[in-house]
Amino acid sequence: RKEVEQDPGPFNVPEGATVAFNCTYSNSASQSFFWYRQDCRKEPKLLMSVYSSGNEDGRFTAQLNRASQYISLLIRDSKLSDSATYLCVVTVYPSGTYKYIFGTGTRLKVLA
Amino acid sequence: NAGVTQTPKFRILKIGQSMTLQCAQDMNHNYMYWYRQDPGMGLKLIYYSVGAGITDKGEVPNGYNVSRSTTEDFPLRLELAAPSQTSVYFCASSGAYQETQYFGPGTRLLVL
Repeated sequence: RKEVEQDPGPFNVPEGATVAFNCTYSNSASQSFFWYRQDCRKEPKLLMSVYSSGNEDGRFTAQLNRASQYISLLIRDSKLSDSATYLCVVTVYPSGTYKYIFGTGTRLKVLA
Repeated sequence: NAGVTQTPKFRILKIGQSMTLQCAQDMNHNYMYWYRQDPGMGLKLIYYSVGAGITDKGEVPNGYNVSRSTTEDFPLRLELAAPSQTSVYFCASSGAYQETQYFGPGTRLLVL
């Protein structure tokens, strides 16, 4: 089983739609969780950290479910500019060193 | 602030050649990382550093070397380039482990 798994998509949604992605992780001792956004041929950029109680930033809501070991990202009122690949990132602490584990990403296409 | 900068943006190497990928950050971050990203794959950690003079191997260190003589700079050296090293290389930095990683724009490397 992969340490971090994401549905690769693509998710094709019309403008204005609500879309949600999940990301599952295998290590129950995972410490921190992030969603990054990566545009085609560009570097990943932080979209938001994911906190235990869930958090919202404008149209974006992130949730963490430790019991089922997944995080989610909800995007409301999708814009064309939201088209990108969304990377789930988890930190683990094996053998005294923190590791950032990146998922392979979920591709979103918002259609006009 | 420039953030994380990388040079060159793109390079073509012949098999067996060597080169150094440059990375610099101006955020006074102690932690720096080198990743490679192959098409359709997640980012794989090559090497990381927790401060000047301290480096350690990541998941895929073979064929690469690093040094960290200053807080700002973290060059990645490829010795004897091989076609398997064709990839996009991202440098990143963070203030501490588990904090947000900031990525450079990447270096696209093609080994022929």
